[in-house]
Amino acid sequence: AQTVTQSQPEMSVQEAETVTLSCTYDTSENNYYLFWYKQPPSRQMILVIRQEAYKQQNATENRFSVNFQKAAKSFSLKISDSQLGDTAMYFCAFMKQYTNAGKSTFGDGTTLTVKP
Amino acid sequence: ETGVTQSPTHLIKTRGQQVTLRCSSQSGHNTVSWYQQALGQGPQFIFQYYREEENGRGNFPPRFSGLQFPNYSSELNVNALELDDSALYLCASSPGNSMNTEAFFGQGTRLTVV
Repeated sequence: AQTVTQSQPEMSVQEAETVTLSCTYDTSENNYYLFWYKQPPSRQMILVIRQEAYKQQNATENRFSVNFQKAAKSFSLKISDSQLGDTAMYFCAFMKQYTNAGKSTFGDGTTLTVKP
Repeated sequence: ETGVTQSPTHLIKTRGQQVTLRCSSQSGHNTVSWYQQALGQGPQFIFQYYREEENGRGNFPPRFSGLQFPNYSSELNVNALELDDSALYLCASSPGNSMNTEAFFGQGTRLTVV
């Protein structure tokens, strides 16, 4: 079984600054995917960024980037130039490779507040 | 293409009652996954349906059951409701091939058991 741990229940950042959210996971699998999802007050879970475990290069999506350390089982999310619209709950998630998308294990989330 | 839609958005039930939640998958998707998200926690995987068959189940009791229809929409049924079943129930749809890793979520159904 997999576990995902997010050790920061709440974080805040000033608009335009950079913030890093932490995630660690435990698994015996060698092939898997890691995700960061954003859940705004509207409740709909939105995919922010995805990392394939077999890729050494860290994923980036515009202002969002990850620091993936496979040996340490660490997967942090960096948000650059934070915007007010980034205020949301952020979830780290794990999915084994070769499974239908949707079978994921989630952490308990980090509530991020971007302050003007 | 239409997104994932869930109904109802909110409902209140009494302990011991039964409830049915509905999910319409995104066009072209044959896989639906259901999650329970308690307040302040991350989503917990309940089960997944692929082409009308259950395709994996999380650590939930048998009173949580599901169904997927030929049009790939899905229902989650919960019998003998307990107070701890109060949560946001999310469904997610995906194309159903292991090469596509993204699941698309609906806006959820907020269930309150009193």
